[in-house]
Amino acid sequence: EPEVTQTPSHQVTQMGQEVILRCVPISNHLYFYWYRQILGQKVEFLVSFYNNEISEKSEIFDDQFSVERPDGSNFTLKIRSTKLEDSAMYFCASSGEFGYTFGSGTRLTVV
Amino acid sequence: AQSVTQLGSHVSVSEGALVLLRCNYSSSVPPYLFWYVQYPNQGLQLLLKYTSAATLVKGINGFEAEFKKSETSFHLTKPSAHMSDAAEYFCAVRGDNAGNMLTFGGGTRLMVKP
Repeated sequence: EPEVTQTPSHQVTQMGQEVILRCVPISNHLYFYWYRQILGQKVEFLVSFYNNEISEKSEIFDDQFSVERPDGSNFTLKIRSTKLEDSAMYFCASSGEFGYTFGSGTRLTVV
Repeated sequence: AQSVTQLGSHVSVSEGALVLLRCNYSSSVPPYLFWYVQYPNQGLQLLLKYTSAATLVKGINGFEAEFKKSETSFHLTKPSAHMSDAAEYFCAVRGDNAGNMLTFGGGTRLMVKP
């Protein structure tokens, strides 16, 4: 069964540093997403991406965040100048005709 | 705007007992509804989804959910709980948004007692 692959599985970074979280969506899916889950809380939508542009974003997705599809397979989330409160599990997802598939997540720890 | 409410942040059942996890949604358009399970330190695994076909949806691991439009509900059930069902369960809706996003409920932690 096709999978959404996320790397790394765990990243520790110092406050103020930039991080890039990587995802390989399912190849024939058209919509790509990033969600985050702060420890013990619910899953929150960050951004959706369709046809090489952002189609919707939440209020969480401010100028600190950006997304990119640099080639035909990867989908990245960049967080500039990380803050302690950015520590969370970040999930990538993609969707097609038969629904959503989530990756296993990247746990980001900002110290 | 779409939203999801899961009643009960923690549910505890005995092994072999009925599992009932509640989910109510709001959406201005016919929704797609999902249940996901999350085991500790793992990702989100799709249990089942409703996409406007049959109102009773069967999923993996013996779970099922019934879409009731009149009650705006999509409760998750399993006739007999197993210890391995202990996890966090999230209900989600995809409804009235251009970005195809899912809106998640707050989650219900299911505990199964021996």
